[in-house]
Amino acid sequence: NAGVTQTPKFRVLKTGQSMTLLCAQDMNHEYMYWYRQDPGMGLRLIHYSVGEGTTAKGEVPDGYNVSRLKKQNFLLGLESAAPSQTSVYFCASTDREYEQYFGPGTRLTVT
Amino acid sequence: AQRVTQPEKLLSVFKGAPVELKCNYSYSGSPELFWYVQYSRQRLQLLLRHISRESIKGFTADLNKGETSFHLKKPFAQEEDSAMYYCALRENAGNMLTFGGGTRLMVKP
Repeated sequence: NAGVTQTPKFRVLKTGQSMTLLCAQDMNHEYMYWYRQDPGMGLRLIHYSVGEGTTAKGEVPDGYNVSRLKKQNFLLGLESAAPSQTSVYFCASTDREYEQYFGPGTRLTVT
Repeated sequence: AQRVTQPEKLLSVFKGAPVELKCNYSYSGSPELFWYVQYSRQRLQLLLRHISRESIKGFTADLNKGETSFHLKKPFAQEEDSAMYYCALRENAGNMLTFGGGTRLMVKP
């Protein structure tokens, strides 16, 4: 099993550009999450999903959109990137057990 | 509202010294507390949780409800313990985690 994978690993965007980050998991997990990691602020939840076709806002949802059309995939979109969105983005998934399984991260720089 | 605080951003110790990474939380219900670790160039992974009351890689953590703390301890630090450590809280009925700001542990030879 690959676990949780993220595409791409790195990306540089210019202000105003758009992009989509893809998260995929092969563990048949119901729950999926998108976090951003910033120095000193830990991981903050952007959006999450409790099942296929459902999404919900987390702590810092502004400027991001998500979709969960397939159970194994959770997409994070930036419609108009801003420098404040420079961060490392992590996807995670879990079933009803306690452990969240994380992807390797996507390092995004917005200039 | 729930909140997790890790007061130290950086903790530097020598190999063989004891280590304590502090974590304090505020939550009105019955929390579940976790420690996650991120080694260099690796993904975040679960280290331990308070319910299991187990020792992983020599680390232990005890939930102190009176002091609302969940400090991570190890009696003798090793160089391979150098990593970023995150304390996290989960509401009893949910599947969302609230993370602290993280503490970078550096174990010097």
